Order: sequence, then C-alpha cells, then structure tokens
Amino acid sequence: GEDVEQSLFLSVREGDSSVINCTYTDSSSTYLYWYKQEPGAGLQLLTYIFSNMDMKQDQRLTVLLNKKDKHLSLRIADTQTGDSAIYFCAETGGTSYGKLTFGQGTILTVHP
Amino acid sequence: GAVVSQHPSRVICKSGTSVKIECRSLDFQATTMFWYRQFPKQSLMLMATSNEGSKATYEQGVEKDKFLINHASLTLSTLTVTSAHPEDSSFYICSASEGEGYEQYFGPGTRLTVT
Repeated sequence: GEDVEQSLFLSVREGDSSVINCTYTDSSSTYLYWYKQEPGAGLQLLTYIFSNMDMKQDQRLTVLLNKKDKHLSLRIADTQTGDSAIYFCAETGGTSYGKLTFGQGTILTVHP
Repeated sequence: GAVVSQHPSRVICKSGTSVKIECRSLDFQATTMFWYRQFPKQSLMLMATSNEGSKATYEQGVEKDKFLINHASLTLSTLTVTSAHPEDSSFYICSASEGEGYEQYFGPGTRLTVT
C-alpha cells in the first residue's frame, strides 16, 4: 500500500528557515498536503500542491515537489515560536482518491 | 470558511457504555466525512469514510459493529463507540470535504477516556 515517511524531529532557532521533508511511494498521488497540529488540537490545513506542480508559495510557506524522487518539502521562512507544532504531510490520489495517507509527523521545535 | 466542529471535545465514560461523537461542517456541505483515530505521538489512522445517505466504508481491521458511523445529513456525521473498552481510549478526529474532496478540513478532535 501507500507509504509516507517523514523525519520525526526538527529543531531550529527563531528567525531561521525550517525545512521539513517527506517522501512517499504512491506514484499515482494526485494531491500532496501539509497539515499543522498543535497540542490537543485537530489538524490545520496549511497548503497543498497538485502533482503537476513543482513549487507553490504562500506567504512564509514554500512547498517543493520532486515527483521523480517522490519527495515533498515544506519550507517555513522566518520561523517563529508559534510555528512549534507537529507537521504532517499527506497524499491522496490513484485508486483511493479522497482518502488521505499521512506521514508520522515531524515535531518542529523553535527556540528563542 | 471551511470550519468543522466536534462535540464533545472531551468525554470520560465507563467500560461497557456507549458514547457518541458528533462532527459538523459549519459553513459548507460535506459530501464526504472521514473519521480518524490518533494515538499519542503517532499519526492519524483512517477508520472509515462516510458519504451522506449511504453506509460508511470501513478500513481493514476496524470493527463496524463497534464503531457505528451515521452520516445523516450533509453537515452532520456521528461516530458511536459501542461497549467502550479502555483500549478504545484515544483521540478521535473527523474531517469533511465537499465537491471533489481534495481539500479536507479537520475538526478539533475528541479525547475519549474509557475507565
């Protein structure tokens, strides 16, 4: 079945850029997503990218997609302490359209 | 826009009882709703997918008689955990999508504790 992998931890200093990486196995993925989860809360959709795109920018967020390597990244510019959270990448598409497959989540810690 | 609510946010129940969790899309009509379960420090596990007016589709390994899902309207889906057991204690999150469903919006989650 589909598999999505992420590194578990990332620690950065306030003001630096954060890059969270994700790899996936389903070559028929149509949409790829980044979600943010704060402690005890649900998931907030940050951004998503369609599989025929290489890059998408939305204010401080930049998503890069390398479809050949099945690699997705999320760059957060000027990271703030409020960005500390768990970030999940997820994909959908192929025969399971609408059903999201999530990575394990990356815990981002931002130090002052 | 695209707000999804869940009720209750926290619930404690005794073993053997049933508990119902509601998921509502507040400002859009949800063609499809999804129910997830999340264990501490782990990712989300899809339990089932429900479309309004039809039976839910359960993922492999999820007992449909234990986790009853009803998608009664385009804005409401309910998950009932029947004969609750301490092992059912978890964080349950719903999501909803409209139209083609490529954007899913998540509720804030319900923390269930079974004593």
